[in-house]
Amino acid sequence: DTAVSQTPKYLVTQMGNDKSIKCEQNLGHDTMYWYKQDSKKFLKIMFSYNNKELIINETVPNRFSPKSPDKAHLNLHINSLELGDSAVYFCASSQVGDAYNSPLHFGNGTRLTVT
Amino acid sequence: AQSVTQLDSHVSVSEGTPVLLRCNYSSSYSPSLFWYVQHPNKGLQLLLKYTSAATLVKGINGFEAEFKKSETSFHLTKPSAHMSDAAEYFCVVTTGSARQLTFGSGTQLTVLP
Repeated sequence: DTAVSQTPKYLVTQMGNDKSIKCEQNLGHDTMYWYKQDSKKFLKIMFSYNNKELIINETVPNRFSPKSPDKAHLNLHINSLELGDSAVYFCASSQVGDAYNSPLHFGNGTRLTVT
Repeated sequence: AQSVTQLDSHVSVSEGTPVLLRCNYSSSYSPSLFWYVQHPNKGLQLLLKYTSAATLVKGINGFEAEFKKSETSFHLTKPSAHMSDAAEYFCVVTTGSARQLTFGSGTQLTVLP
């Protein structure tokens, strides 16, 4: 009955590899997000999709490419992984509109370690 | 423009004593404010939320927060800490949609037996 689920939970890989993280939400929300949490716990938005359309694309390297096959799924593909990509990546969802009436629901995160 | 400052990166309390986690915000417009909690290896969970209604907001697990416009603060409190409250807490501000959230840097709460 998990509302926002991400896979995998842990991802350990070497520099230069390409990897993907998957996210699915069963809340019926129309907006999904990817956040990056660094080693100091700071959370920063990376991307936001609304009904499969890219809405927010923060200053993120082109190596990161989100893909939304439908409004319940938002995947994150990372090419040519670098050491600095090591972080926890959170998927989240909400309904479009004001944040008070539709706050974010987060997944449990994917801890990416690049060696 | 908006920003949020969590004044303490770490707070330690003894079980059964009060909890105070401090948050100050800056916003050009009337803000919506939130507190989220993150337990180890978990995602963020909404504790409580505030918009332009009652200034004292009650959330889950006995937490509450008071919006003070004159002090631009939104501090989180709980009368009596429980061991299960040990977690990272984030204060969040927005003046609009969930796409425009600004997160604080977090406060790690430790509860001592």
